Amino acid sequence: GAVVSQHPSWVICKSGTSVKIECRSLDFQATTMFWYRQFPKQSLMLMATSNEGSKATYEQGVEKDKFLINHASLTLSTLTVTSAHPEDSSFYICSARDLVPQTSPLHFGNGTRLTVT
Amino acid sequence: GQQLNQSPQSMFIQEGEDVSMNCTSSSIFNTWLWYKQDPGEGPVLLIALYKAGELTSNGRLTAQFGITRKDSFLNISASIPSDVGIYFCAGRQGGSEKLVFGKGTKLTVNP
Repeated sequence: GAVVSQHPSWVICKSGTSVKIECRSLDFQATTMFWYRQFPKQSLMLMATSNEGSKATYEQGVEKDKFLINHASLTLSTLTVTSAHPEDSSFYICSARDLVPQTSPLHFGNGTRLTVT
Repeated sequence: GQQLNQSPQSMFIQEGEDVSMNCTSSSIFNTWLWYKQDPGEGPVLLIALYKAGELTSNGRLTAQFGITRKDSFLNISASIPSDVGIYFCAGRQGGSEKLVFGKGTKLTVNP
């Protein structure tokens, strides 16, 4: 089945630094990938839609300059948390679905636990 | 934004029992998905439903796409300890690529 790989699985960084998270589709191509954020004991909240070759679409309330998204190829999207602060600490999860068939479901990466100290 | 009402919020059952959880919405969805999430990991797809009335099984799991297209349920039969986790329903509307998630059902199975 479709596999989505996310890296790193966890990262600890100091306040003010930037962190990059990678999301790769391993055995399929994805023109669209999605980035979610999940706080403890809560559901997944969509942050942005990553579009290959064009600008990402951000959900209301998500700062595009804070969470930079780059989708340079059909198999890779990156999320960069810039000038991270402790309130950015969370579980970030990416997802993607195969181009074919059009009804293929979303598959998720294993998530990245970000801790900002 | 659009919300899915998922219930129950949590369940505590004995090993061997059957489990049922559901999701409802005030709006129509054209795709329903059920995921399971273990602690510290991403959600794993269990079952995908694409047609109203569709009933699909995956081992001990069975899910149905409601006729009204506004609800879906997931049943787990003969539960085992490894069924422990959080189950999420998710839906997709119209031509949207976005998924809307329920708030999850936390399942605890006592051996």
